[in-house]
Amino acid sequence: DAKTTQPNSMESNEEEPVHLPCNHSTISGTDYIHWYRQLPSQGPEYVIHGLTSNVNNRMASLAIAEDRKSSTLILHRATLRDAAVYYCILRENSGGSNYKLTFGKGTLLTVNP
Amino acid sequence: GAGVSQTPSNKVTEKGKYVELRCDPISGHTALYWYRQSLGQGPEFLIYFQGTGAADDSGLPNDRFFAVRPEGSVSTLKIQRTERGDSAVYLCASSFSGNTEAFFGQGTRLTVV
Repeated sequence: DAKTTQPNSMESNEEEPVHLPCNHSTISGTDYIHWYRQLPSQGPEYVIHGLTSNVNNRMASLAIAEDRKSSTLILHRATLRDAAVYYCILRENSGGSNYKLTFGKGTLLTVNP
Repeated sequence: GAGVSQTPSNKVTEKGKYVELRCDPISGHTALYWYRQSLGQGPEFLIYFQGTGAADDSGLPNDRFFAVRPEGSVSTLKIQRTERGDSAVYLCASSFSGNTEAFFGQGTRLTVV
């Protein structure tokens, strides 16, 4: 599985935007970029995913570099409820292993009131 | 509440005992996954079911671990002769198909004493 690199931790203030970076320099052409987050004492929760174009949904935005070697998850206005570990995951688009999510350690986001 | 349900939420067992952990996936989801999460780490893949069959059990650490999904719905993860190193949060997830968004349960915290 292609690897991703994320900062161990980040801090933000409530109601400010947060940009969570992810490097994936060995990404292949068929890999989707997925983001999940895990709130304290909860299972992971899907946030967003994309392939090449930037994506927006009600939770967040995903900005993907033109060469696809990095991406950024954007929370437009952080709330205290956004405090969680955020995982950037590469998932095969096709082939025998496209069901598998391989989690790293993720980024622990702290949101200050 | 139509989410993934895991029971029990907590299980304390003595070393050497047998335990069963149950997962009720979202109705209609054909894909089911088990993950294990140790403190400070991301979830680690154990096994993937498509319908009733285990399509990939490569993540099971050894032959003390076994999982079944006899009717393509509920799944049970079985651990024989538990060891202290088996202590972790066991997460179950389901998805409509193998490559769509995965929905996780809250996990079962297993403690082997």
